[in-house]
Amino acid sequence: QQPVQSPQAVILREGEDAVINCSSSKALYSVHWYRQKHGEAPVFLMILLKGGEQKGHEKISASFNEKKQQSSLYLTASQLSYSGTYFCGTDRETTDSWGKFQFGAGTQVVVTP
Amino acid sequence: DTEVTQTPKHLVMGMTNKKSLKCEQHMGHRAMYWYKQKAKKPPELMFVYSYEKLSINESVPSRFSPECPNSSLLNLHLHALQPEDSALYLCASSQDGQALATEQYFGPGTRLTVT
Repeated sequence: QQPVQSPQAVILREGEDAVINCSSSKALYSVHWYRQKHGEAPVFLMILLKGGEQKGHEKISASFNEKKQQSSLYLTASQLSYSGTYFCGTDRETTDSWGKFQFGAGTQVVVTP
Repeated sequence: DTEVTQTPKHLVMGMTNKKSLKCEQHMGHRAMYWYKQKAKKPPELMFVYSYEKLSINESVPSRFSPECPNSSLLNLHLHALQPEDSALYLCASSQDGQALATEQYFGPGTRLTVT
């Protein structure tokens, strides 16, 4: 099942903050965040693992609520370069060594001057 | 070198043609992936190779055939495709070959059009 992202789109002015949410109905092993600009490949932002480990860029922050199977990505003091489509990807926790990795539908972020 | 390269950038093929997409990485990564992405949609995972062995096949039709000749190369062989297979095909790699616990590096993709 595809993780659910919200909102679908957000428009920000430079310097404003935003939160993008990602939720799953299944137990998750990891949550990944990527940003894709138009015509470009997705670029890694952050991974949050069950148990609290995080790997990512210093300027990006995110959280993972294991009880609720929800993750949030925080865009703080947004810059024009933050514009793009943000995808969360989730890897479910299963008895197999691999779960089913799926991206959410995406959140389009537009930052204006 | 943190680059994943893909060739060709664009490909137009007929429904009876056979073609191949190529992906290459020289980062020593042990997992490589194929994704399909339609316009305004998220990438959909197709195949995962871990330590050069196919570990995930997400119920992809047999007209798509992946191959991993060595740890740096990943091919996707195409045969008898349908127009609905037209999409951007993305290759990615990650350091960890055991699980999706490390970041994936994506290539620029191959834009495929099936006529």
